[in-house]
Amino acid sequence: DTGVSQDPRHKITKRGQNVTFRCDPISEHNRLYWYRQTLGQGPEFLTYFQNEAQLEKSRLLSDRFSAERPKGSFSTLEIQRTEQGDSAMYLCASSLLGSFTEAFFGQGTRLTVV
Amino acid sequence: AQSVSQHNHHVILSEAASLELGCNYSYGGTVNLFWYVQYPGQHLQLLLKYFSGDPLVKGIKGFEAEFIKSKFSFNLRKPSVQWSDTAEYFCGGGADGLTFGKGTHLIIQP
Repeated sequence: DTGVSQDPRHKITKRGQNVTFRCDPISEHNRLYWYRQTLGQGPEFLTYFQNEAQLEKSRLLSDRFSAERPKGSFSTLEIQRTEQGDSAMYLCASSLLGSFTEAFFGQGTRLTVV
Repeated sequence: AQSVSQHNHHVILSEAASLELGCNYSYGGTVNLFWYVQYPGQHLQLLLKYFSGDPLVKGIKGFEAEFIKSKFSFNLRKPSVQWSDTAEYFCGGGADGLTFGKGTHLIIQP
């Protein structure tokens, strides 16, 4: 058990629907990251938070994607008007401030858009 | 722009063989490099990391990596692999550790 939990583990949705994923980091971790991973590729950075502030967003994060971490604890990632190309594993990771390589990853949420 | 590249996408070895997985990075500034492993059906786990100091870094499960600044490399090594090392291996780096390579799928045959 890594301590980072993601919900749901699997999500199947129809194209055009909105989906929301949740990540609960390790409780004392200041930083929280979202990644997307497709088959045969490494994790691609989407965005990260330091406490409740969203500090960086990738160009991969189109305006259909939005992430929040309202109280500096759990985070949500919402995808609006899903497309088939959004099908991927969405990974969340958390770390203490200034030490990314101590990041702990969750099991991920596998999204399938049909 | 920072980038990390892994040379080998698929590697098949027999047990007890020696392993070396290549990783090259391309970015300036502070060097933070790491290797993560993902065993089948499990989450990503940190194998080892390099920030500064001794360029030969030892990690868990007998793995090590050497940072060679002149070659912009951070190759992962293990002198004798086991069947349980079958997994996906990811090299990564960057100022905030935000860039991963595409991964190497390692299969160890008994």
